[in-house]
Amino acid sequence: AQKVTQAQTEISVVEKEDVTLDCVYETRDTTYYLFWYKQPPSGELVFLIRRNSFDEQNEISGRYSWNFQKSTSSFNFTITASQVVDSAVYFCALSEGSGGTSYGKLTFGQGTILTVHP
Amino acid sequence: DTGVSQDPRHKITKRGQNVTFRCDPISEHNRLYWYRQTLGQGPEFLTYFQNEAQLEKSRLLSDRFSAERPKGSFSTLEIQRTEQGDSAMYLCASSTSTTGWETQYFGPGTRLLVL
Repeated sequence: AQKVTQAQTEISVVEKEDVTLDCVYETRDTTYYLFWYKQPPSGELVFLIRRNSFDEQNEISGRYSWNFQKSTSSFNFTITASQVVDSAVYFCALSEGSGGTSYGKLTFGQGTILTVHP
Repeated sequence: DTGVSQDPRHKITKRGQNVTFRCDPISEHNRLYWYRQTLGQGPEFLTYFQNEAQLEKSRLLSDRFSAERPKGSFSTLEIQRTEQGDSAMYLCASSTSTTGWETQYFGPGTRLLVL
């Protein structure tokens, strides 16, 4: 069975600090997909980034970057120069797939509450 | 693209009553998912449809829960004889599987409170 663990329950930073959110996953599949979602106080989950298991290349997109390491089953997410508007709950999620097509069903971690103070 | 919409946004009901929620996916998205999220937890998968076919149901989905997606467009989730433990946020998401690289987009959710 697949499992996602976000060990950090809450993180508090001051604006402009960099912050890294940790995610560790478990799966028996060799093909899988990893995601990060943001849930602001309004409640709607907002898609941020995704990565498939074939590609360990780490990327940067604006203020977001991620570090995917299959050897440690980790998919960490970094926000550079945090802003107050980044305050939200962040979820890491996993879906298993085969043949290049995701099975779709997402397994979420418990979330990390990020508070960015002015 | 208009996003995923859900109705109602909030529902308060008494224990034992039936409730029905509606989800309208992003147009042309062939997959639709329902999740449930309780306070302080991540969303948990309930069920999903590909077009009008319900392809998978979680063990979380008791006999009191039923979901439909007639004609492969909008979906409804009905809870019969509600219990206080059903109080949660019910989230709907849609995606397309045609590209083989699927990202789910979520609606704003329906927050249910059972008194």
